[in-house]
Amino acid sequence: GAGVSQSPSNKVTEKGKDVELRCDPISGHTALYWYRQSLGQGLEFLIYFQGNSAPDKSGLPSDRFSAERTGGSVSTLTIQRTQQEDSAVYLCASSLSGTDEKLFFGSGTQLSVL
Amino acid sequence: GENVEQHPSTLSVQEGDSAVIKCTYSDSASNYFPWYKQELGKGPQLIIDIRSNVGEKKDQRIAVTLNKTAKHFSLHITETQPEDSAVYFCAASIGGYSTLTFGKGTMLLVSP
Repeated sequence: GAGVSQSPSNKVTEKGKDVELRCDPISGHTALYWYRQSLGQGLEFLIYFQGNSAPDKSGLPSDRFSAERTGGSVSTLTIQRTQQEDSAVYLCASSLSGTDEKLFFGSGTQLSVL
Repeated sequence: GENVEQHPSTLSVQEGDSAVIKCTYSDSASNYFPWYKQELGKGPQLIIDIRSNVGEKKDQRIAVTLNKTAKHFSLHITETQPEDSAVYFCAASIGGYSTLTFGKGTMLLVSP
């Protein structure tokens, strides 16, 4: 596609429910990143994929968070048993390769946990 | 790990004035320093970047300077325009495969 596409753009859920956030990177980009943006906290790294593998999961805040990438393209970030502190904008970015530092971001998913 | 501090958190200027945003980093091995601009409702967009073998880089009205000894780098915007209003993030990485560490952002407001 022309850019990184994320869906849904907004998600409201109840505490304790599971949510899935989707990211479709730029065609041909092998590296994919998930970041979380909380109000006033900047961008917090969550996980990095190179192809289908995730060499760096160090940013996932708890075992309620998981992500997968299939076919070297689309990625899904899953949050189980959501908590109010999970409310944030979840941003996905892609780059041409793992050694290419220029990231292209999607518009994000605004997650609100009530 | 790397820690990036960014100042100020908010910056208000009049149209036509210059704006400067400063960042410091902690890891002396960092060698790549990008700046991203985030407009309301959109994802961050790369506007300029610099590598540690360069002291300054310019692109029209924006410039970035790097002081490796002091471990700080700055974004300079001249002749600001209302459309420059956005949140600006600095970041640092050690290059190669390495995730970016971002500062907390600066909200720039340019008044007509």
